[in-house]
Amino acid sequence: EAGVAQSPRYKIIEKRQSVAFWCNPISGHATLYWYQQILGQGPKLLIQFQNNGVVDDSQLPKDRFSAERLKGVDSTLKIQPAKLEDSAVYLCASSLGLQGSQETQYFGPGTRLLVL
Amino acid sequence: QKEVEQDPGPLSVPEGAIVSLNCTYSNSAFQYFMWYRQYSRKGPELLMYTYSSGNKEDGRFTAQVDKSSKYISLFIRDSQPSDSATYLCAMSAGGGADGLTFGKGTHLIIQP
Repeated sequence: EAGVAQSPRYKIIEKRQSVAFWCNPISGHATLYWYQQILGQGPKLLIQFQNNGVVDDSQLPKDRFSAERLKGVDSTLKIQPAKLEDSAVYLCASSLGLQGSQETQYFGPGTRLLVL
Repeated sequence: QKEVEQDPGPLSVPEGAIVSLNCTYSNSAFQYFMWYRQYSRKGPELLMYTYSSGNKEDGRFTAQVDKSSKYISLFIRDSQPSDSATYLCAMSAGGGADGLTFGKGTHLIIQP
């Protein structure tokens, strides 16, 4: 079974530029998550999709971050304009989406972003 | 006070030792507790999953949850150099499909 795919793996940009990350979840997984992991910290949930609808985006900085999951499969996360504090690893995860269960979230390798 | 507290370490122990990792939390709504392992430049992978209070054992790994104290632990027996990684505790109120709240992670080093 193929895992969660993410691209690019690394990205370096100047502050105020824009950047986009792509995620392809495990086939058949209804729920998709984007987490931000700053160096030395645990992952922090940015947004959660159930199919192509948003379940939770309470921690997404909506003035600069946006995400979409068209057709309920792949997802993109965009930052515009980027700030220095956005330097982090952006992790995508997916799960079957069964509520109230001991379900597993499977993580991709992450995209490492450096903002200069 | 952060919702989940975890000592970042590093924690260095000799091969074969018993390792104890732990987290405390403040949100009494959390009912699902997980331990993830993260190798350098990789995504986290699920190790153990516990619902509510109690113990769960899987091979060399034992997870314990004490909801009355808001304290969870992971024990690793007969530790191996391949266990060297960052261990993240994670928790949620509504199940594994919810967005997870993570601790900072503990960096564990097993010395051969």
